[in-house]
Amino acid sequence: DAEITQSPRHKITETGRQVTLACHQTWNHNNMFWYRQDLGHGLRLIHYSYGVHDTNKGEVSDGYSVSRSNTEDLPLTLESAASSQTSVYFCASSSIQGTFRTEAFFGQGTRLTVV
Amino acid sequence: GENVEQHPSTLSVQEGDSAVIKCTYSDSASNYFPWYKQELGKGPQLIIDIRSNVGEKKDQRIAVTLNKTAKHFSLHITETQPEDSAVYFCAASGPGTASKLTFGTGTRLQVTL
Repeated sequence: DAEITQSPRHKITETGRQVTLACHQTWNHNNMFWYRQDLGHGLRLIHYSYGVHDTNKGEVSDGYSVSRSNTEDLPLTLESAASSQTSVYFCASSSIQGTFRTEAFFGQGTRLTVV
Repeated sequence: GENVEQHPSTLSVQEGDSAVIKCTYSDSASNYFPWYKQELGKGPQLIIDIRSNVGEKKDQRIAVTLNKTAKHFSLHITETQPEDSAVYFCAASGPGTASKLTFGTGTRLQVTL
């Protein structure tokens, strides 16, 4: 069965370190998204991609970067981790059917703690 | 950009009662409105969605209504069960096949016995 997986599930890192969170989907979806989830804020979009070599900034992109070298993967990099980036991170993917987008499928999440 | 507001933030109902969660959106061009359920320790999962060309959609105990004029949409769960306890998110998306979703802040639903 097709799926979307995130790794690691849990990560503790120190302030100032570079961290990369992995996202891999086997749906063959064009669209991929990274969100962070914080209490009282719901899901906020960090970066997204509509296809290979395409990346776009979301509403909370400062301090984060992504790259899309193939259809399956969209790694999220924290250039220099800060305590404000302690959060749960979700990756999602979606595609197109006719003139409509399909539902977005979410990964299980990565809990990142910056100490 | 789009802004989605969701109420209430917490909701407690007795088993068998109905639950209603309401959302408003700001961008009149938005045309796709999904609802996601998130159980503890898991990612959000789509439970129902509605497009702007319909006013209501039902799937067993779950229904969604959309009022485009007022720019609000609601999730209705009837005959609630303990397994309905979770966090529910509404979202909105604009036109175009690749438009991104903007989420509400979530509603924690607790179904008590």
